[in-house]
Amino acid sequence: EPEVTQTPSHQVTQMGQEVILRCVPISNHLYFYWYRQILGQKVEFLVSFYNNEISEKSEIFDDQFSVERPDGSNFTLKIRSTKLEDSAMYFCARLTGNYGYTFGSGTRLTVV
Amino acid sequence: TQLLEQSPQFLSIQEGENLTVYCNSSSVFSSLQWYRQEPGEGPVLLVTVVTGGEVKKLKRLTFQFGDARKDSSLHITAAQPGDTGLYLCAGAARGSARQLTFGSGTQLTVLP
Repeated sequence: EPEVTQTPSHQVTQMGQEVILRCVPISNHLYFYWYRQILGQKVEFLVSFYNNEISEKSEIFDDQFSVERPDGSNFTLKIRSTKLEDSAMYFCARLTGNYGYTFGSGTRLTVV
Repeated sequence: TQLLEQSPQFLSIQEGENLTVYCNSSSVFSSLQWYRQEPGEGPVLLVTVVTGGEVKKLKRLTFQFGDARKDSSLHITAAQPGDTGLYLCAGAARGSARQLTFGSGTQLTVLP
């Protein structure tokens, strides 16, 4: 299976700015996910996206976050007004088969 | 809230030794997965176990899912320096979204 590609690999932004993180999975997969990993901490679930709708979201995924699949292949995570504590690695993932997950290489977001 | 306790957090052993990493929870998972994560990259799936009591082998790695589907172990036989890395367990929740709950990881160092 082809890899999940994420762009950019590293994003530095000022606090309060909007950022959009992008993911390119295979278009015929239905389940997509965003996870984040703050440096030195666990990988945490943010949101699942099924059939072009949010399926489930965690408490972390508040009104500042949104996801879209604007053109049927790209999958985006938007943070409207970044905070210092949003600094983390953000991973896109897709469900492969019934149980396997393929993660992207991640976007390192640094909020200054 | 489902939690996965992973132990040990750090493990440093000599080449050729055996080791076991444990992942425990009070919750039942529909499946449990083991990942390996390199610095600055996304988790890479090693194996998925689905059935209680299931044992899977991947070369020198043996994975077991507990009978009650609440715990799992990873055993490495005759560890090699190439096995050095961060090993993560992750449980998939029941339900349609199947989001993952990750353990905190085991940083393994195999010394030559």
